[in-house]
Amino acid sequence: LAKTTQPISMDSYEGQEVNITCSHNNIATNDYITWYQQFPSQGPRFIIQGYKTKVTNEVASLFIPADRKSSTLSLPRVSLSDTAVYYCLVGDRGGYNKLIFGAGTRLAVHP
Amino acid sequence: SAVISQKPSRDICQRGTSLTIQCQVDSQVTMMFWYRQQPGQSLTLIATANQGSEATYESGFVIDKFPISRPNLTFSTLTVSNMSPEDSSIYLCSVVTIGNTIYFGEGSWLTVV
Repeated sequence: LAKTTQPISMDSYEGQEVNITCSHNNIATNDYITWYQQFPSQGPRFIIQGYKTKVTNEVASLFIPADRKSSTLSLPRVSLSDTAVYYCLVGDRGGYNKLIFGAGTRLAVHP
Repeated sequence: SAVISQKPSRDICQRGTSLTIQCQVDSQVTMMFWYRQQPGQSLTLIATANQGSEATYESGFVIDKFPISRPNLTFSTLTVSNMSPEDSSIYLCSVVTIGNTIYFGEGSWLTVV
């Protein structure tokens, strides 16, 4: 299973764009990249998933370069409610999808 | 998406007792997992709950301590046996949908005293 590396923490201010980069140098051909958000006292919430290039949904964008050894989660115009821990995970979408969590990135959004 | 219900959501347990946590999903899923999250830490995978057969445990977790059942495609239980204060954690159920997206329940908060 690929290991991921993320910054331990980040700070931002309301209205700014936040980009969190994740390294996954040993990503396998069948692996997808998935990001989760976790608030205190809640289970992780699915944000976005991608395989290559760019994926966008109503919440975020995910940028994946051609070599797929890293990925960047982009949160546009963050608000105080985006303060949370963000986890980057890689894993295959085949018959065995267990996810191994790293430490995650603690994002603090300030007024 | 999948709606996952975990019970109990929170409990305080006596040392040496056992507690069973239930995970119910509102739709058929391909896989179910159990995670543990200790205070201030990331999630650690305990095991994969296999339908109709013994669960597959990760290193450091054993069946005698964390027996798991999965009698059908939408239900699983995790028992935390002979609890000690070190077992105080959040226990999370996770499922993989037909569309290969992974969702998590809200967790069961256990405090062992």
